[in-house]
Amino acid sequence: EDKVVQSPLSLVVHEGDTVTLNCSYEVTNFRSLLWYKQEKKAPTFLFMLTSSGIEKKSGRLSSILDKKELSSILNITATQTGDSAIYLCAVEAYNQGGKLIFGQGTELSVKP
Amino acid sequence: KAGVTQTPRYLIKTRGQQVTLSCSPISGHRSVSWYQQTPGQGLQFLFEYFSETQRNKGNFPGRFSGRQFSNSRSEMNVSTLELGDSALYLCASSSDFPRSSYEQYFGPGTRLTVT
Repeated sequence: EDKVVQSPLSLVVHEGDTVTLNCSYEVTNFRSLLWYKQEKKAPTFLFMLTSSGIEKKSGRLSSILDKKELSSILNITATQTGDSAIYLCAVEAYNQGGKLIFGQGTELSVKP
Repeated sequence: KAGVTQTPRYLIKTRGQQVTLSCSPISGHRSVSWYQQTPGQGLQFLFEYFSETQRNKGNFPGRFSGRQFSNSRSEMNVSTLELGDSALYLCASSSDFPRSSYEQYFGPGTRLTVT
């Protein structure tokens, strides 16, 4: 059965710290991996990764996919309290139109 | 561009009743997916519609159904509600064109409480 696992499940850091969130997957016919940020509302799209080894970057956030290791990491540098949220990793497979398989999420709390 | 909209935002129903939730995708998006989010199970895929056709379905009982209209708006229906159906129901839309791009954008969700 297709599966996405995130670690850690929760994390508490202080402002200014750098964090690394992990996502591993077991999916038949992998197509892409997506990262979302969820505060007390709907998930908001961060990145979509399809090619191994190519880093996607947006401000202080960056992510990279390792297809050989079936995993991805999401890095956040110089964390701010506004980064506090649940970070969700999801995977899409070919021939599974519109279906994202989500991990459990990592709950990040950034203290001032 | 307006985002994905869902109505209603909150709903309280009684066991045994049925409910219909609505989702309007981003203008130009033709694919609509539905997800159920609960604290215990996380985000789970219900089904996806494209051009009024269900393309994919998750592992939910037949009480959960949906449809899509010609303007891409979608509805999902849950019949014979159970307490365990209490959840946040999210819909997401995607352009599905070009086919290589498949970012899904989520609506605010409908919070359903079954008593």
